[in-house]
Amino acid sequence: KAGVTQTPRYLIKTRGQQVTLSCSPISGHRSVSWYQQTPGQGLQFLFEYFSETQRNKGNFPGRFSGRQFSNSRSEMNVSTLELGDSALYLCASSFYRGGNTEAFFGQGTRLTVV
Amino acid sequence: KNEVEQSPQNLTAQEGEFITINCSYSVGISALHWLQQHPGGGIVSLFMLSSGKKKHGRLIATINIQEKHSSLHITASHPRDSAVYICAADVNSGNTPLVFGKGTRLSVIA
Repeated sequence: KAGVTQTPRYLIKTRGQQVTLSCSPISGHRSVSWYQQTPGQGLQFLFEYFSETQRNKGNFPGRFSGRQFSNSRSEMNVSTLELGDSALYLCASSFYRGGNTEAFFGQGTRLTVV
Repeated sequence: KNEVEQSPQNLTAQEGEFITINCSYSVGISALHWLQQHPGGGIVSLFMLSSGKKKHGRLIATINIQEKHSSLHITASHPRDSAVYICAADVNSGNTPLVFGKGTRLSVIA
């Protein structure tokens, strides 16, 4: 069974540009969550999608947005990039079993904003 | 104050040593996850537990629900265990699917 696939793995953008990251979850998983990881803040929740609907949202500005398609693949978009957006962006595919969340992470996309 | 606290932040051990990483949380949870992150970024889920103890190879995870505390143990540590270990709480309420600790950076020296 293929794991969670994130593309691209590495990305360099300049300030002011916008970027789109992609995440393909494990087959059959309908929930996709996005996280930002920076050295200072650790892992922080961005948003969660389930069946094409945003179910939860973290405390990030409106420049961060996402969507999920009918095949559960998800994209996140960051507009008007700032230097502080440089981070590792991780996607997790999950399903609920017995009241608990089983999460599987992708390799991440490392975004550098210059 | 973070809802999930890990200690220590950094840990250096000699190969073969027994290692313990601790995680305390202040909220109600339905499960606690232990994750491993190697340089390069990818995260691997090691354990998900809601009670008791789980073992996988040289790794053991325990949780005490009453004390809101979990530990990850590594027996006979090896340099390939060098990674960042992160605990994450599946919180009963709130907007986030998982709440993460800041991680413990482990270096095992041969």
